[in-house]
Formats: sequence, C-alpha cells, structure tokens
Amino acid sequence: EDQVTQSPEALRLQEGESSSLNCSYTVSGLRGLFWYRQDPGKGPEFLFTLYSAGEEKEKERLKATLTKKESFLHITAPKPEDSATYLCAPIQGAQKLVFGQGTRLTINP
Amino acid sequence: EAGVTQFPSHSVIEKGQTVTLRCDPISGHDNLYWYRRVMGKEIKFLLHFVKESKQDESGMPNNRFLAERTGGTYSTLKVQPAELEDSGVYFCASSQVRGGSPLPDTQYFGPGTRLTVL
Repeated sequence: EDQVTQSPEALRLQEGESSSLNCSYTVSGLRGLFWYRQDPGKGPEFLFTLYSAGEEKEKERLKATLTKKESFLHITAPKPEDSATYLCAPIQGAQKLVFGQGTRLTINP
Repeated sequence: EAGVTQFPSHSVIEKGQTVTLRCDPISGHDNLYWYRRVMGKEIKFLLHFVKESKQDESGMPNNRFLAERTGGTYSTLKVQPAELEDSGVYFCASSQVRGGSPLPDTQYFGPGTRLTVL
C-alpha cells in the first residue's frame, strides 16, 4: 500500500535556527515529488517539484532534496513568516498526488 | 492571472441533503483534480479530469459522489445524499498539459470548500 510519512509532526524553532523536515515514502509508479506549504484556512501553495534522485531545488531560505526513498526540506535561518504546515506529495502514475500528514512548523521571533 | 477558485468557501448541510461544490481552474489548464481532507487525515485524491473526460476516478469513495466537467472548463462535485463522514475540506487543483513531455505538471490548488454535514 502506498504510504507517505512526514517527520516530525510538529517543529518549533527560534528565528534563525536552521533545521530539516523529512518525507519518506513507499509509492508505486513514482514519477516525482511535490512540496507544498499550507497556511491555516488556505489551499496548498506550490513550492518545489523534484523528479529524480539527487535533484535539488532552492527558493529563498528553503532547499528541497530527493533520494530514492525520501525527500528533505531544509530551512536555513527561518523567519516567523515561514511558519506553516509543509506537505510533501509523491506523484503516482499519471498525475495522482499521495500526500503525507504534513509537518507543522512554528518559528518564534 | 487568477488562480484556482472554489465555491462556496463553506457549506453546512443536514445529513441526507445534497450539496454541489464548484471549481474554476486556472484559465487554459486542461487537467483538473479533486482532493479532500477529512478530519485528522491527510489530503486524499478523488479524481482527475483531462478536459471533460475522467482520466482517473479511483479515489471516489462511493456512488454518492458525482463529478462533472461539461465543456472542459469548470467542474462540479455533487454529494447526494450527504453523510456525516463526508465532512471535510474539498480541494480542487489544476495543471497544464505539457506538449510532448512525460513529466508530471505542477498542480495548483484552490482555497478549498469546507463541508460540514450535521
């Protein structure tokens, strides 16, 4: 059965304190992986697409990496506005996303 | 450019009633998807349209759910009759169709419709 596990479930950091979020998965017919950010009451907001192992993408304080079985979202020197839930979603088959539960990130000023 | 829009933002109905959710994709996006998150669970895939055709409806929970996309533009998701376990947030997403590329396209999500069945 397809499974996506994100860890930790929740993470509280001080402003400027770097860390990493993990997404491990077992998904048949894997064709890549998306990372999204979701703020309360809103829909997922696209961050990155990774298509193959070894690939890396960066955007401001975020960097996403991909291996065959996991992906990491590294956050460097975060700010309070980076507080959100971060979702990873491996892409199965044609276009079907398989979501994890998300990591709820809080950055304290 | 307008993003994916969904209507209504909230709906509260009684068990046994009918509700219709609407999604307007980003202009020019032929792929349209429905997902939902029920309480405490992860977001789950419901179905995928390419234009007006259902490409994959493997996530539809049962025959109380009917999705349509007449004319290949906006889509509706009807729940009839609604049950308590249908409560949750229903998301719509859309993506372009890449000509000649085998790679999946970025899916852009709407704000969701929060459905409460009492």
